[in-house]
Amino acid sequence: AQSVTQLDSQVPVFEEAPVELRCNYSSSVSVYLFWYVQYPNQGLQLLLKYLSGSTLVKGINGFEAEFNKSQTSFHLRKPSVHISDTAEYFCAVSDRTGFQKLVFGTGTRLLVSP
Amino acid sequence: EAGVAQSPRYKIIEKRQSVAFWCNPISGHATLYWYQQILGQGPKLLIQFQNNGVVDDSQLPKDRFSAERLKGVDSTLKIQPAKLEDSAVYLCASSPRFSRRSDTQYFGPGTRLTVL
Repeated sequence: AQSVTQLDSQVPVFEEAPVELRCNYSSSVSVYLFWYVQYPNQGLQLLLKYLSGSTLVKGINGFEAEFNKSQTSFHLRKPSVHISDTAEYFCAVSDRTGFQKLVFGTGTRLLVSP
Repeated sequence: EAGVAQSPRYKIIEKRQSVAFWCNPISGHATLYWYQQILGQGPKLLIQFQNNGVVDDSQLPKDRFSAERLKGVDSTLKIQPAKLEDSAVYLCASSPRFSRRSDTQYFGPGTRLTVL
């Protein structure tokens, strides 16, 4: 079974500052990793995913994440945030065999202020 | 293309009442998921359909929850009778193919259920 830990429930940051949202996972098998974003009153939307290959993954809206197998982490970063990035961010994991079954973390609320 | 549609968006009921949620996935998507998202938690998978067959319902409380996917398209999730702890947002998602682990899931806006 897999599990995901997002230690930061809330991250406040000023506009144009860099941000990192942390995600650690636990799994006894190889996994795929995902970051989804949930804007207020909307459904979740995929930001990026790591399947294989380069450990640095680029996603939409200027976000990127780095897969670190030894530290079992998949932290999300953006060099300069905008007010519009205010949302809930969820890290998720799925093992690589059989049907897809996403296991989500508890989410991190990113609050961007002017 | 149109996204995943869900209705109603909000529902308030008394405990022990019944409630049903409806989901219309993206046209042509083979796999459909229902998630429960309790306040402060991440979404938890309740049930997964591939076309109109169930492939995973291990976390569905079958004594009170039921779901069906008619003709491999629309889906309905029902709770009967509801308990206070069922208060949550119920999310529907779909993905294009037969549930490969690398697939992107496309989520609807959710139905917020409040049980009083």
